Amino acid sequence: NAGVTQTPKFRILKIGQSMTLQCAQDMNHNYMYWYRQDPGMGLKLIYYSVGAGITDKGEVPNGYNVSRSTTEDFPLRLELAAPSQTSVYFCASSYSKGAGNTIYFGEGSWLTVV
Amino acid sequence: AQTVTQSQPEMSVQEAETVTLSCTYDTSENNYYLFWYKQPPSRQMILVIRQEAYKQQNATENRFSVNFQKAAKSFSLKISDSQLGDTAMYFCAFMKPSGGGADGLTFGKGTHLIIQP
Repeated sequence: NAGVTQTPKFRILKIGQSMTLQCAQDMNHNYMYWYRQDPGMGLKLIYYSVGAGITDKGEVPNGYNVSRSTTEDFPLRLELAAPSQTSVYFCASSYSKGAGNTIYFGEGSWLTVV
Repeated sequence: AQTVTQSQPEMSVQEAETVTLSCTYDTSENNYYLFWYKQPPSRQMILVIRQEAYKQQNATENRFSVNFQKAAKSFSLKISDSQLGDTAMYFCAFMKPSGGGADGLTFGKGTHLIIQP
């Protein structure tokens, strides 16, 4: 019953450092997403993928990169971390069709940039 | 682009009372999906209820029901017999009919619901 798994759950980065947030899903979903949630706000879409080898930008892509080499994995790369990237990051996935396209979320990764 | 507005930043009710959370949205689409997600202090996003715009019947899930008014672009969530475990942030979200791909979910800013013992 793993669903969407994110690692790490917590991380502190120094300004200018880089890191990768890992995300894996075991539901054979084609669609995967990365969202960020700033304090007191709803979630905003960073990047999404409609299948292996295909990615596209969401609402707030600057400062991030993604790749999708397999159906299961969708890592998010932060290059040159900035304080503005302090946030909670959510990975999510869904079927491409049917089931009302319900999106299932991971438990979140808390990132602080100092 | 779609927008989702939740006009109540915070609400507080007594346990066992009924509470209604408001949500309005703006879209030019005719068919779409609407969702309510619950986010407890753990920050996990939990799907509460889903509504397809082409369905006139309001969705219900146990103590949770919606009042979907398509013409008014309104999608409120009613929680009956509220419980302490219902304390959480509640997010209203919109999805275009193209499905998960193009825009994913558009979220409102959330309503912090507090259930008092």
